[in-house]
Amino acid sequence: EVQLEQSGTEVKKSGESLKISCQGSGYSFTNYWIGWVRQMPGKGLEWMGIIYPGDSDIKYSPSFQGQVTISADKSISTAYLQWGSLTASDTAMYYCARQTGYGLFDNWGQGTLVTVSS
Amino acid sequence: QSVLTQPPSVSAAPGQKVTISCSGTSSNIGNNYVSWYQQLPGTAPKLLIYDNNKRPSGIPDRFSGSKSGTSATLGITGLQTGDEADYYCGTWDSSLSAGVFGGGTKLTVL
Repeated sequence: EVQLEQSGTEVKKSGESLKISCQGSGYSFTNYWIGWVRQMPGKGLEWMGIIYPGDSDIKYSPSFQGQVTISADKSISTAYLQWGSLTASDTAMYYCARQTGYGLFDNWGQGTLVTVSS
Repeated sequence: QSVLTQPPSVSAAPGQKVTISCSGTSSNIGNNYVSWYQQLPGTAPKLLIYDNNKRPSGIPDRFSGSKSGTSATLGITGLQTGDEADYYCGTWDSSLSAGVFGGGTKLTVL
């Protein structure tokens, strides 16, 4: 069974850094793209970017390029989403998901809630 | 402003049928497969339809998908109260080289 297990809730202050994680299991982690999706409170889904753990190829949405960093450690089947300096507008639920086709996410993590206070 | 356009809300009575539209352009829906996701309150999204009209294992045939040109449609028949959720369309945008979602449609089963 494919599973994506995300790290827990984070409460941070503006200006702090953060790295959240997504560990895959039940499939060959290096052979599928892993993506990150933002959902701000009461809002819709936003595609942030994807990474191919096999060679660390990364594609960012233009909206998120330069705002976040996506990475992966294939030795522990884990993908990461990182911020260098958080702002209140980063407050959201962040989902990781496995991509099996262009723009197609077939399995999703449970989500990581990030709250940033000013 | 989402790249794909969906109606904010739809509603219908139990047992009835509803359709949700998703409009895009030639750079996204027009030349790529469309998928649909169901997000029940307080939960992660779940894949409902992929490759325009295919259902993953376990998804009942009450859910269907279609695509024509630069638009796609999700259909749900035999509505149940448990279908109340937000529904999102998604696809790849070849111009952006990125995935895109619709703004989401809230389904209310009256």
